[in-house]
Amino acid sequence: QSVLTQPPSVSGAPGQRVTISCTGSSSNIGAGYDVHWYQQLPGTAPKLLIYGNSNRPSGVPDRFSGSKSGTSASLAITGLQAEDEADYYCQSYDSSLSGNWVFGGGTKLTVL
Amino acid sequence: QITLKESGPTLVKPTQTLTLTCTFSGFSLSTSGVGVGWIRQPPGKALEWLALIYWDDDKRYSPSLKSRLTITKDTSKNQVVLTMTNMDPVDTATYYCAHYGDYNFQHWGQGTLVTVSS
Repeated sequence: QSVLTQPPSVSGAPGQRVTISCTGSSSNIGAGYDVHWYQQLPGTAPKLLIYGNSNRPSGVPDRFSGSKSGTSASLAITGLQAEDEADYYCQSYDSSLSGNWVFGGGTKLTVL
Repeated sequence: QITLKESGPTLVKPTQTLTLTCTFSGFSLSTSGVGVGWIRQPPGKALEWLALIYWDDDKRYSPSLKSRLTITKDTSKNQVVLTMTNMDPVDTATYYCAHYGDYNFQHWGQGTLVTVSS
């Protein structure tokens, strides 16, 4: 079981907006550690999508945005496109014995 | 341009020791704040952080695997090596190395699938 909790799957039609939640605890997200998001397209390595809760690396479309509040974070994707179909993972730092760097269980995004 | 590539055996037998090498370019592991981490992903499952080594040779390990892992670096060769002892079929996974900075994994290698089977 992952330290960070994500919904196993979400879906949306092209052009719609979807959100993916990431719930942690007082030893990770709630302790003030940043949340980062990764996109893993089928058969490829993860790619950094959002860092520091809400920042996009160069080249990531502004359709992707991130936010954090309390012990949770969210990834929002607007104007959904077929190529957005992928697995999405949140990641943070944990100060407990669970491990230093922790990932969510991943969310499969299906574009209908 | 930062690139990383994992290399090592694709098949190991149970109880054997796995040795994986991450060869990277585009950054120096002697630069303050920089690290290289290892993350694995069993088929169809989630990412799991394994180990990380910092520019100053500080090393961190996943508590659940700490007794089985060793991470080292060779700055002159731009390589990081991960060893995992006593391999078991449940360790079958794609193993990734990644450039680390600012608490996140900014660049990833393509990954290498390691199967544990007799």
